[in-house]
Amino acid sequence: GDSVTQTEGQVALSEEDFLTIHCNYSASGYPALFWYVQYPGEGPQFLFRASRDKEKGSSRGFEATYDKGTTSFHLRKASVQESDSAVYYCALAATSSGQKLVFGQGTILKVYL
Amino acid sequence: EAGVTQSPRYAVLQEGQAVSFWCDPISGHDTLYWYQQPRDQGPQLLVYFRDEAVIDNSQLPSDRFSAVRPKGTNSTLKIQSAKQGDTATYLCASIAAGTGYERLFFGHGTKLSVL
Repeated sequence: GDSVTQTEGQVALSEEDFLTIHCNYSASGYPALFWYVQYPGEGPQFLFRASRDKEKGSSRGFEATYDKGTTSFHLRKASVQESDSAVYYCALAATSSGQKLVFGQGTILKVYL
Repeated sequence: EAGVTQSPRYAVLQEGQAVSFWCDPISGHDTLYWYQQPRDQGPQLLVYFRDEAVIDNSQLPSDRFSAVRPKGTNSTLKIQSAKQGDTATYLCASIAAGTGYERLFFGHGTKLSVL
């Protein structure tokens, strides 16, 4: 079945550090790829999406580029802030999964002053 | 617009007890999802509806879990005889069919602890 793998379970950074969270997917066809963010006590919130190869999605300084060749959609931010501390989920939606959202395991980001 | 409303926020029960979760989706959203989110894991789809019809319940443990959406608006997810492995947050989400997932909204969830 379709799946999403996030390499890092937890990332700890200082403010103004560069962030990378790795996301790789497995799906047939051409899935749409997403990043969601979840704050404590809340449900996940849509961050951005990309739907085709080489398309870049971005929001709030975060960005990721759809790479069909490496089946990746890595999340990056040039300079993190303490307020970015949250859990980040990579997800996909594909025809092979009935157009349902399939989430990765999540990456806990903690940013320290 | 009002968001997705879930109740209760928390539930604590002993193994073998029953529990129900309630979800009120955003007005006009015909598609409703129930996800299970174990601690430190991503959301995993249990079941989803379009209007009152179940579209996919293949991941719903049918021996103990049930979900209904009788009038195509509110929905109830029930666990008949809870097990410790059911400990998780149960999330409801809704969307209007034909719109992109950027318009999918989640509720705050119900955090279930089974002792």
